[in-house]
Amino acid sequence: QVQLQESGPGLVKPSGTLSLTCAVSGGSISSTSWWIWVRQSPGKGLEWIGEIYHSGSTNYNPSLKSRVTMSVDKSMNHFSLRLSSVTAADTAVYYCARRSAAGTIDYWGQGTLVTVSP
Amino acid sequence: QSALTQPASVSGSPGQSITISCTGTSSDVGSYNLVSWYQQHPGKAPKLMIYEGSKRPSGVSNRFSGSKSANTASLTISGLQAEDEADYSCCSYAGSSTWVFGGGTKLTVL
Repeated sequence: QVQLQESGPGLVKPSGTLSLTCAVSGGSISSTSWWIWVRQSPGKGLEWIGEIYHSGSTNYNPSLKSRVTMSVDKSMNHFSLRLSSVTAADTAVYYCARRSAAGTIDYWGQGTLVTVSP
Repeated sequence: QSALTQPASVSGSPGQSITISCTGTSSDVGSYNLVSWYQQHPGKAPKLMIYEGSKRPSGVSNRFSGSKSANTASLTISGLQAEDEADYSCCSYAGSSTWVFGGGTKLTVL
């Protein structure tokens, strides 16, 4: 059973950089899956941020592309998200998850709330 | 890339059937058979309920079914139960290696 766990600061200052890591257990990050980040602003719907393959190949949401960087550390079996120049609009619960080729997001982390505030 | 359109809320009584729509465009829902549906209870992570438009993962009740017509995908829940009360979101491949979610629908079981 694959498990994912997000970690990182819960508070980020405006104009700063949000950094989160997702630890993968119960499976290898080098499997044929994409590792994704999804966020959910308070009272809003889910938003696909982007994804990374174990090779380092990435795909990003066009609306966030200029501010997003994802990376993978195969030795640690984890992957990371960096979102720069954050504003209050980036306040959300951030989920890491696993996506199959068929688009099924079958394993999710519990989510972590990141608040952007002075 | 715009979010898929879902009704903000739907409701039904126990035992009834309800349908949640998910409307996209010919660039996403209409072009690919890669629509999935997720159930999310308050404070919890989403759970996969339907994938590839109409397939159910192992362990998901057959009361849940999915379909698609043109640019609109639908999730139908039959024999509504109190435990079905949750938020439901659709997700579709949107081309160019990107994915898009719907705005989510709150299901209330009366």
